Amino acid sequence: EDQVTQSPEALRLQEGESSSLNCSYTVSGLRGLFWYRQDPGKGPEFLFTLYSAGEEKEKERLKATLTKKESFLHITAPKPEDSATYLCAVTRSGGSYIPTFGRGTSLIVHP
Amino acid sequence: SQTIHQWPATLVQPVGSPLSLECTVEGTSNPNLYWYRQAAGRGLQLLFYSVGIGQISSEVPQNLSASRPQDRQFILSSKKLLLSDSGFYLCAWTGTVNSPLHFGNGTRLTVT
Repeated sequence: EDQVTQSPEALRLQEGESSSLNCSYTVSGLRGLFWYRQDPGKGPEFLFTLYSAGEEKEKERLKATLTKKESFLHITAPKPEDSATYLCAVTRSGGSYIPTFGRGTSLIVHP
Repeated sequence: SQTIHQWPATLVQPVGSPLSLECTVEGTSNPNLYWYRQAAGRGLQLLFYSVGIGQISSEVPQNLSASRPQDRQFILSSKKLLLSDSGFYLCAWTGTVNSPLHFGNGTRLTVT
């Protein structure tokens, strides 16, 4: 069974204090790993897809990296508007179109 | 570009009443469609998914059902709501197997 574990569950940062969120996964043949951002009361918004170990993607203050066992979402010099829940999901090669989601990391950035 | 519409945004219903939540996708054809429920602190629970018209797979036995009467329309229903049906319901779609899910803005359902 595919599993995705995200840590920490919650993270509080001061504005400008860089940090990383972790997504550990167990899947029989990774097809893709996805990062989403979810604001309160809204649906998740897609951020990145990573397909193979060593791959990196960047968008503004966010950078996602992938190894064979985990992915990191690095947040550089965060701002209060980066406060959200960040979700990670994986899909399996040869599997259905159903991703396995982690429970997310709730990030709060204080001004 | 593709867009997904989900309504209503909020809904308060009494126990035992029926439910109908609707989701439509624009700008694509033959999408894979999904209904999720999200409880506070518990992540996303897949309820139903569909790979085509009339093709519905249920992931969790429950008081809910889903239908796909048209290619880009997905409906979540219940004949009689339970208190435990309260939650945040999300519709999503994807195109190819390598594509991410794209979510609607959700429906906050409160059963009283």
